[in-house]
Amino acid sequence: NAGVTQTPKFRVLKTGQSMTLLCAQDMNHEYMYWYRQDPGMGLRLIHYSVGEGTTAKGEVPDGYNVSRLKKQNFLLGLESAAPSQTSVYFCASSLPPAGQGFRKPQHFGDGTRLSIL
Amino acid sequence: KQEVTQIPAALSVPEGENLVLNCSFTDSAIYNLQWFRQDPGKGLTSLLLIQSSQREQTSGRLNASLDKSSGRSTLYIAASQPGDSATYLCVIQGAQKLVFGQGTRLTINP
Repeated sequence: NAGVTQTPKFRVLKTGQSMTLLCAQDMNHEYMYWYRQDPGMGLRLIHYSVGEGTTAKGEVPDGYNVSRLKKQNFLLGLESAAPSQTSVYFCASSLPPAGQGFRKPQHFGDGTRLSIL
Repeated sequence: KQEVTQIPAALSVPEGENLVLNCSFTDSAIYNLQWFRQDPGKGLTSLLLIQSSQREQTSGRLNASLDKSSGRSTLYIAASQPGDSATYLCVIQGAQKLVFGQGTRLTINP
């Protein structure tokens, strides 16, 4: 009963380095999301996906790319990390919002703490 | 643009007290309102979900209300315990995405 699993849990990068955060869910959810959480700002949506092979921009997409090659996985990439991307990143998954999805909450992973020096 | 505000930002109460956390939102066109709990270093755990057509939901010692016309929700916690210490987030479900409040950091003192 893993739910949503994020790897890695912690990472320190130098400015300009690249990395990929992995999110995996085992609930057969269609929708997946990447958020970042910063002090005093709440969670903000970076990118989301409504199904395998599709992605869309959220509120703060600049500097990030995503891919959804398999239904159960959603990858978040930083091509050239910047100090402003220091944050806690959360992945979530859900049923489609319409219909039954509005009756069920999103499921969140435990987060990835990323520091860019 | 939907905005979600939670007051107070932090709250500290003695164990055993009943307490209320407040949430307000600017756009009444919502699909549901959710309350989540976040423990330090952890993800978000869903506590209660109130659908747009509902007025309240209850789970154990927790009761959440929704008044769309006034743009308000409250989370009532009865007989608080130290294990209730966490950050509580109010979240609005829009057509495509969630809008999050900044949370109320709750501390229950033994």
